[in-house]
Amino acid sequence: EVQLVESGGGLVKPGGSLRLSCAASGFTFSSYSMNWVRQAPGKGLEWVSSISSSSSYIYYADSVKGRFTISRDNAKNSLYLQMNSLRAEDTAVYYCVRGNYYDSSGYPYYYGMDVWGQGTTVTVSS
Amino acid sequence: VLTQSPGTLSLSPGERATLSCRASQSVGSTYLVWYQQKPGQAPRLLIYGASSRATGIPDRFSGSGSGTDFTLTINRLEPEDFAVYYCQQYGSSPPWTFGQGTKVEIK
Repeated sequence: EVQLVESGGGLVKPGGSLRLSCAASGFTFSSYSMNWVRQAPGKGLEWVSSISSSSSYIYYADSVKGRFTISRDNAKNSLYLQMNSLRAEDTAVYYCVRGNYYDSSGYPYYYGMDVWGQGTTVTVSS
Repeated sequence: VLTQSPGTLSLSPGERATLSCRASQSVGSTYLVWYQQKPGQAPRLLIYGASSRATGIPDRFSGSGSGTDFTLTINRLEPEDFAVYYCQQYGSSPPWTFGQGTKVEIK
């Protein structure tokens, strides 16, 4: 079964740090780009960050650039999000999401964000 | 920027829902995606490439459009279809923004 399981959420004070993890299983992790998407309480979806299959390309939303760092360990089938200088507006459910598939020659296949974890809640409050 | 309309759609089971997603700049059809989200659940991929249904998605869901105007149509609404729907442009150049969502509610 294809699965993504997030962990690491919790309550943190403004200015604090948190590291989210995502464990992937049931698919060839190293063949997919990966993403973090968040959803503030009662709000819509916000794309946060993406990392290519080999970590060559990394992108961030302007709202988190310079504060968040995405990384992955293909040997451990794991995705991470290091969040520093947290603000109240970072309070949200954070989803780990599978992205584009890349074949052996690096050609991308665009099938949307097709697998989502259950989410982990981050609350930034004093 | 992706703008979805209407914000809320009130319909009865069995009716057709037509949801709009308008982009501020042209979006390649390859990169236009639709998701469904029910309360307390993670989003689910419905449509990719503007018109291709994801695995397991019933054929009452269909996507169409090109350029700056895209549409998600749900024929014969089932009780389980009442949810929030998001469009997204994903795969070309970041940021890979989502629309603000359209809520389909029971009338």
